[in-house]
Amino acid sequence: DAKTTQPPSMDCAEGRAANLPCNHSTISGNEYVYWYRQIHSQGPQYIIHGLKNNETNEMASLIITEDRKSSTLILPHATLRDTAVYYCIVRRHSGGGADGLTFGKGTHLIIQP
Amino acid sequence: DAGITQSPRHKVTETGTPVTLRCHQTENHRYMYWYRQDPGHGLRLIHYSYGVKDTDKGEVSDGYSVSRSKTEDFLLTLESATSSQTSVYFCAIGTSGDTQYFGPGTRLTVL
Repeated sequence: DAKTTQPPSMDCAEGRAANLPCNHSTISGNEYVYWYRQIHSQGPQYIIHGLKNNETNEMASLIITEDRKSSTLILPHATLRDTAVYYCIVRRHSGGGADGLTFGKGTHLIIQP
Repeated sequence: DAGITQSPRHKVTETGTPVTLRCHQTENHRYMYWYRQDPGHGLRLIHYSYGVKDTDKGEVSDGYSVSRSKTEDFLLTLESATSSQTSVYFCAIGTSGDTQYFGPGTRLTVL
């Protein structure tokens, strides 16, 4: 799986949009971009994933650049409960196999009141 | 949230004793996983299962065994616990082996 680079920490004001960047310059054509987050002492939580088109769900939006070498996770109206470590993961779909997820260090997002 | 429970949620045990952690799902997902999370190492895959009685090793399987006799239950056993196995253990489930959903975790301390 391709390597990802994320800033170690970010701050965002409550109510504002939180934009979390991720670089994955060595991504392959069949690799997806996944985002998870982990709130302190809880299990990782799936947020969203995409291949090349932008994606949106009830939690967030995922913007992938046209060359697919970077992406941005957007939390449109951040709340204090969004304070967590956010992980960007690039991986192939296993097509029936079972591969573990590899979590890097992620970005510690702190929402300020 | 995915229907995943882990038991116990906290356990303190002594070196050399056997320990079994349980992961239970109500989603009927095919794939189940056990991870451990330690400071400085992130999450590491211990074992996974791709069906009843079908399991395989992950990155850090030494000292651990697993069993899956029913779709809904995946057990992780430490045959003889050591202090290096003090960790937080997470179970995860998935349908196709791609998107995984995690349980709340079990904090294990081996004295």
